[in-house]
Amino acid sequence: RKEVEQDPGPFNVPEGATVAFNCTYSNSASQSFFWYRQDCRKEPKLLMSVYSSGNEDGRFTAQLNRASQYISLLIRDSKLSDSATYLCVVNTPPNRNSGGSNYKLTFGKGTLLTVNP
Amino acid sequence: DTEVTQTPKHLVMGMTNKKSLKCEQHMGHRAMYWYKQKAKKPPELMFVYSYEKLSINESVPSRFSPECPNSSLLNLHLHALQPEDSALYLCASSQGRVGNTEAFFGQGTRLTVV
Repeated sequence: RKEVEQDPGPFNVPEGATVAFNCTYSNSASQSFFWYRQDCRKEPKLLMSVYSSGNEDGRFTAQLNRASQYISLLIRDSKLSDSATYLCVVNTPPNRNSGGSNYKLTFGKGTLLTVNP
Repeated sequence: DTEVTQTPKHLVMGMTNKKSLKCEQHMGHRAMYWYKQKAKKPPELMFVYSYEKLSINESVPSRFSPECPNSSLLNLHLHALQPEDSALYLCASSQGRVGNTEAFFGQGTRLTVV
């Protein structure tokens, strides 16, 4: 099982639609979870951190289910400017067998969203 | 100010050249990262520095050599690269323990090896 798996997409939705992205992670010891967005030929930008209690920022809602090792991102009333690739990011524990001591941020493959007029 | 600055923005180099990519942040972050991103793929971690010490090397070929001169600067020295090394190279930084907090990315250096 891959460390971080996302819906393969792409998603094409009309303006105003609600769209949901899903992500699962394999390591139950992961502690930190994020959603980033990346526009074409640009750097990834943090969209939201994801907390156990769930969190909302305007039209965006992120949820975490630790028992199922599942993260979601919901975008309501989608805008043309929401068109981007959405990346699920999870911190993965060090590989003790190789002497590692630091967590690292692991990216899912990303889901491309296109919002159409 | 959540800014990570990378130079140059674009770089074309021959397979026998030596070049360096530079990254700078003034947010007081103590973890700095190099990622490599190919088209239509997610960023892949290359190196992590924590408190100016190399803490993660993801089995990157020795033709890539990172350096952290101080807490604000991160370099990536390139030598004898191959055309398949052409990619977007992203620098990032984060506060606190490596991997536990969100990382902020620079705009990247788009590298072409000819």
